[in-house]
Amino acid sequence: DTEVTQTPKHLVMGMTNKKSLKCEQHMGHRAMYWYKQKAKKPPELMFVYSYEKLSINESVPSRFSPECPNSSLLNLHLHALQPEDSALYLCASSQRNEGPGELFFGEGSRLTVL
Amino acid sequence: AQSVAQPEDQVNVAEGNPLTVKCTYSVSGNPYLFWYVQYPNRGLQFLLKYITGDNLVKGSYGFEAEFNKSQTSFHLKKPSALVSDSALYFCAVRDGGSYIPTFGRGTSLIVHP
Repeated sequence: DTEVTQTPKHLVMGMTNKKSLKCEQHMGHRAMYWYKQKAKKPPELMFVYSYEKLSINESVPSRFSPECPNSSLLNLHLHALQPEDSALYLCASSQRNEGPGELFFGEGSRLTVL
Repeated sequence: AQSVAQPEDQVNVAEGNPLTVKCTYSVSGNPYLFWYVQYPNRGLQFLLKYITGDNLVKGSYGFEAEFNKSQTSFHLKKPSALVSDSALYFCAVRDGGSYIPTFGRGTSLIVHP
């Protein structure tokens, strides 16, 4: 069982909707990540939060807006998405944002944009 | 700069036979190397990592990986494959100066009964 919890598991939304993906971890990790993954492809980094501050934003469109309310929670706010944004969105955490720590992934939120 | 290559899109192996999934890497400093597995419609799960020390690393589910510095490789191995090992496997690398791993393109392992 994963120790990173993502909700919802599935989300269908129209291009004009506003929705949010949520992620929670209780391992005391100080780095949290959002990845986007298309079928049978490697995960693509979107955002990294380190000690609750946004440290990396990989030129992701502004229709994706991350938020880190505290060290255990990470949200991804979605607005005016396009059909090509349909993908599996993975949250991950790691003990520190440097060094050899592995990533712990959630099960993902599968997003379909109609 | 760091990069990782998984030269095979797919590996097929019969149940009970040994399996190898290949990975080569390039980093400017000392590498931290990882293998992750992804089952259908699931997130990625950490299998094992190399930081330093013994070149043979043992991980979850009977998997192991051999670090070879001269060949810059970190191949994933298992002595006897199970049908349940069928999944997508990702190799990842990060060097000591970076905290963001670079993932390989993934290798689909299919174990036939």
